[in-house]
Amino acid sequence: DAGVIQSPRHEVTEMGQEVTLRCKPISGHDYLFWYRQTMMRGLELLIYFNNNVPIDDSGMPEDRFSAKMPNASFSTLKIQPSEPRDSAVYFCASTLSGTGVGSPLHFGNGTRLTVT
Amino acid sequence: GEDVEQSLFLSVREGDSSVINCTYTDSSSTYLYWYKQEPGAGLQLLTYIFSNMDMKQDQRLTVLLNKKDKHLSLRIADTQTGDSAIYFCAESPGANNLFFGTGTRLTVIP
Repeated sequence: DAGVIQSPRHEVTEMGQEVTLRCKPISGHDYLFWYRQTMMRGLELLIYFNNNVPIDDSGMPEDRFSAKMPNASFSTLKIQPSEPRDSAVYFCASTLSGTGVGSPLHFGNGTRLTVT
Repeated sequence: GEDVEQSLFLSVREGDSSVINCTYTDSSSTYLYWYKQEPGAGLQLLTYIFSNMDMKQDQRLTVLLNKKDKHLSLRIADTQTGDSAIYFCAESPGANNLFFGTGTRLTVIP
């Protein structure tokens, strides 16, 4: 399996622009997670899906952030409008059946977002 | 809420053992995980331990769990320069989420 695939690897954009990050989870995995990593705050969970349905979006910073999972093999995280404080590495991860039952997260290589 | 703590830095000489420590808060966590992050990459699962176990060994890696003190450690035997990375511990208090520590940056000195 190719693992979790994220695109783009790097994104540089200007403040106010819309940014869309993409993720393809491992085939057959029922859970998909979006994390954000910064030096100041470490790894933060933004949202996760189970069988394409958003389960917990309490980590989404504000209404500028939205995430969708239209099918089992694709998810997007959108920021509109983007701000410099959104600059971070965004990770997508998937798991077969939940971390609480010993099914570990598999991470993509991340998208490094820079908002100027 | 969940709070997973780790020391930020650790330096060891090549060939020595490394011990990375972690404390967590939620005693209901059924599984605890160790991940490794190399520069420019995502987190890679190293190992994990079920909460009713005290120890788990996997080649050069040994995980020790003290559930009473909510303390987890990762020992890397015969540390190599390729082990230089950031190591994260994570707890799983609920069914479907992981809470990560701040990460420990391990530097291996040749």
